[in-house]
Amino acid sequence: EVQLVQSGAEVKKPGESLKISCKTSGYTFSNSWIAWVRQMPGKGLEWMGVIYPGDSDTRYSPSFQGQVTISADTSIRTAYLQWSNLQASDTAMYYCARLTGSGSYPNKKFDSWGQGTLVTVSS
Amino acid sequence: EIVLTQSPGTLSLSPGERATLSCRASQSVSSSYLAWYQQKPHQAPRLLIYDASSRATGIPDRFSGIGSGTDFTLTISRLEPEDFAVYYCQQYDSSPWSFGQGTTVEVK
Repeated sequence: EVQLVQSGAEVKKPGESLKISCKTSGYTFSNSWIAWVRQMPGKGLEWMGVIYPGDSDTRYSPSFQGQVTISADTSIRTAYLQWSNLQASDTAMYYCARLTGSGSYPNKKFDSWGQGTLVTVSS
Repeated sequence: EIVLTQSPGTLSLSPGERATLSCRASQSVSSSYLAWYQQKPHQAPRLLIYDASSRATGIPDRFSGIGSGTDFTLTISRLEPEDFAVYYCQQYDSSPWSFGQGTTVEVK
């Protein structure tokens, strides 16, 4: 069974840094893209970026380029999303998702999701 | 970037009724690289339909998708109590991937 288990909720102050995680199991981690998706309170889904753990190929949505960093550690089958300078506007739920599909990038669907990590940024 | 517009914003229906949700793309989505997701309160999204019309594993056959080009539809043939939720379409034809703004299916 494919599982993506995310790290717990975080409360941070503006200007602080943060790294959240997405630990996977049940499939070959190196062979599937992992994406991060933001959902602000009461709002819809926004794709942030994606990584292919096999070669660390990383792509970002233009809206998030330079704002976050995505990484992965194949030895522990875990993907990460990090910020160096959090703002109140980063308050949101963040989901990781595994991408699959017979086509090459970007023709991949989000077929398994983590449970989400709630990040609250407040002074 | 492909913009997806979903309609209606909210659909008020009773259990047993048929739900028809629309997703329109700002430009053609080739090879029908379009998916539908269901999200219930305080839960992660769940893949329902991919490639416009293929049901994901474990999805009941009351959910069906159809469409090509710029117009796509998700139909729930007979609403069950657990189907009241928010539904998002998403294109994976080109980067950046984009989601529609969502349609809420609520109990009338």
